[in-house]
Amino acid sequence: QKEVEQDPGPLSVPEGAIVSLNCTYSNSAFQYFMWYRQYSRKGPELLMYTYSSGNKEDGRFTAQVDKSSKYISLFIRDSQPSDSATYLCAMTKASGGSYIPTFGRGTSLIVHP
Amino acid sequence: DTGVSQDPRHKITKRGQNVTFRCDPISEHNRLYWYRQTLGQGPEFLTYFQNEAQLEKSRLLSDRFSAERPKGSFSTLEIQRTEQGDSAMYLCASILGGRANTGELFFGEGSRLTVL
Repeated sequence: QKEVEQDPGPLSVPEGAIVSLNCTYSNSAFQYFMWYRQYSRKGPELLMYTYSSGNKEDGRFTAQVDKSSKYISLFIRDSQPSDSATYLCAMTKASGGSYIPTFGRGTSLIVHP
Repeated sequence: DTGVSQDPRHKITKRGQNVTFRCDPISEHNRLYWYRQTLGQGPEFLTYFQNEAQLEKSRLLSDRFSAERPKGSFSTLEIQRTEQGDSAMYLCASILGGRANTGELFFGEGSRLTVL
């Protein structure tokens, strides 16, 4: 079993829909949680990061962390065709100092006009 | 451009040949990571440097792989005696060491390796 699980999709939604992307993890040592967006044949780019449990909002994007359930989510409001990409969750452990992000396999999102 | 740059963007080689990838991180970033990504998978950690010191290596980094970061600036990743299973995207990322806990990695565009 991988430390971080993520459904690969694809997830296909109409323009304007609310999108929910999720990851589960098994290691309770993870404390920092990130969402990256990756367009085809490009490197990942960071969308948001959160520390421990709670919500964080940035424009149309909201990240949620539920440490008790070991479950994180990314919500995209008013989705646009330009949001079509692969969304990767990632997380790091707080101790040890190495802070090596562990990634999920990514969810492919398609927003059609 | 002050982002992370990687070279070459795409390398096609025959099995058994050696290949080398270069990464130039953002200039003030003292921590540099190498990841490997195959189709349909997320990035997998290979190794990272703090300045010129290689601090951790994944078990994925077999003895055919070697990475260096002389003088703590650019980094190279060499693969010797390439195998078809080495075909992947090799991603370099950098971050300011003091921000490492946030996971705010800045990635390059990647170097795609195809081994025939």
